[in-house]
Amino acid sequence: GAVVSQHPSRVICKSGTSVKIECRSLDFQATTMFWYRQFPKQSLMLMATSNEGSKATYEQGVEKDKFLINHASLTLSTLTVTSAHPEDSSFYICSARETSGKPVREQYFGPGTRLTVT
Amino acid sequence: QQQVKQSPQSLIVQKGGISIINCAYENTAFDYFPWYQQFPGKGPALLIAIRPDVSEKKEGRFTISFNKSAKQFSLHIMDSQPGDSATYFCAASKERAGSYQLTFGKGTKLSVIP
Repeated sequence: GAVVSQHPSRVICKSGTSVKIECRSLDFQATTMFWYRQFPKQSLMLMATSNEGSKATYEQGVEKDKFLINHASLTLSTLTVTSAHPEDSSFYICSARETSGKPVREQYFGPGTRLTVT
Repeated sequence: QQQVKQSPQSLIVQKGGISIINCAYENTAFDYFPWYQQFPGKGPALLIAIRPDVSEKKEGRFTISFNKSAKQFSLHIMDSQPGDSATYFCAASKERAGSYQLTFGKGTKLSVIP
């Protein structure tokens, strides 16, 4: 149980184009999903918190107009990197927290998406 | 300001030995402390987690020791195996605006040699 998928696993795009990454909770409903960015050999940096049916909350320094997040259902959140540039190249990882009547702390992570902007 | 400090940055352990990774935190609002294991090119996987009302939690070969007064917690991997070679992240969580966000340590790269 508690499986999170991401699609695509790898994507290469040209500078100036937009890329959409999907995050799905496969066997549970997730009111809250999180998007992280990880540079090589570094830790995970939280970019934004995504709540189903409402606007995402972005961390300080993250451009909300560049990283568009849509949490359209209890099992799907998407991250769109708009007008991508080489400095956006990174490993993007989502996580999901199961919806429950009591506060559930566990976050389950997807396998990540490697974005390369040329 | 680094809220969760993790050490060592890298660790080499012989097969069968004990791997120990330490973390320290400052914010007493943290009330949930998970450990994640990450293999190259993959997302982190939840290993084990503890809450501050417990001093120790064991699951198989993995044990978390928690010292609330010192604001420190550690992961012990008993009988370490080459398959345990991965990067390990400690994290701490607190409630923020109705959500429970994780703050990660910088990670420890563990290499278990035969």
